[in-house]
Amino acid sequence: NAGVTQTPKFQVLKTGQSMTLQCAQDMNHNSMYWYRQDPGMGLRLIYYSASEGTTDKGEVPNGYNVSRLNKREFSLRLESAAPSQTSVYFCASSGRTGNNQPQHFGDGTRLSIL
Amino acid sequence: EDQVTQSPEALRLQEGESSSLNCSYTVSGLRGLFWYRQDPGKGPEFLFTLYSAGEEKEKERLKATLTKKESFLHITAPKPEDSATYLCAASLYGNKLVFGAGTILRVKS
Repeated sequence: NAGVTQTPKFQVLKTGQSMTLQCAQDMNHNSMYWYRQDPGMGLRLIYYSASEGTTDKGEVPNGYNVSRLNKREFSLRLESAAPSQTSVYFCASSGRTGNNQPQHFGDGTRLSIL
Repeated sequence: EDQVTQSPEALRLQEGESSSLNCSYTVSGLRGLFWYRQDPGKGPEFLFTLYSAGEEKEKERLKATLTKKESFLHITAPKPEDSATYLCAASLYGNKLVFGAGTILRVKS
């Protein structure tokens, strides 16, 4: 019973490099989310996908793009990484949006940009 | 602006010493209040959802309560394994969550 799986777990990039973070869920959830977590701050929403085929910006979308590949998978792409994007990235999923169901999180990707 | 504030930032307790964590919120259209537990190096783990003022939920040594302006997570007779960061989040329209920064709890034996 894997839940939400994120890969990779750790990554170091140089400024200007690109990278895609992968996320997959096996709970048949409709909605998926990407957050970043920085010290002293709450989790902040980057992008979300209410259902397969749709994506929307969250609170901090600049510098990121997303793809909802299918119902299971939601990827986050950094086209040109910047040191300010050093963070821990969490993917989450939940049942149908609007039903106020809890979000279930993966264990994160720790990303450092030099 | 929607905002969630948690206090204290950190809390140290002796085993068996009960206490409460606070989560105050200023949001438009609260649809629910979530509590999560986060262990080092892990993602947040869902604990409770509260939907309306006066509601209470319990799980082992934890009890969550909700008023119109804040939520409390009461920890009764904590054990070292209760040590973690506790996060609260306000649920808004579209299942968007606004998170507080968390309270780091350390319970010493």
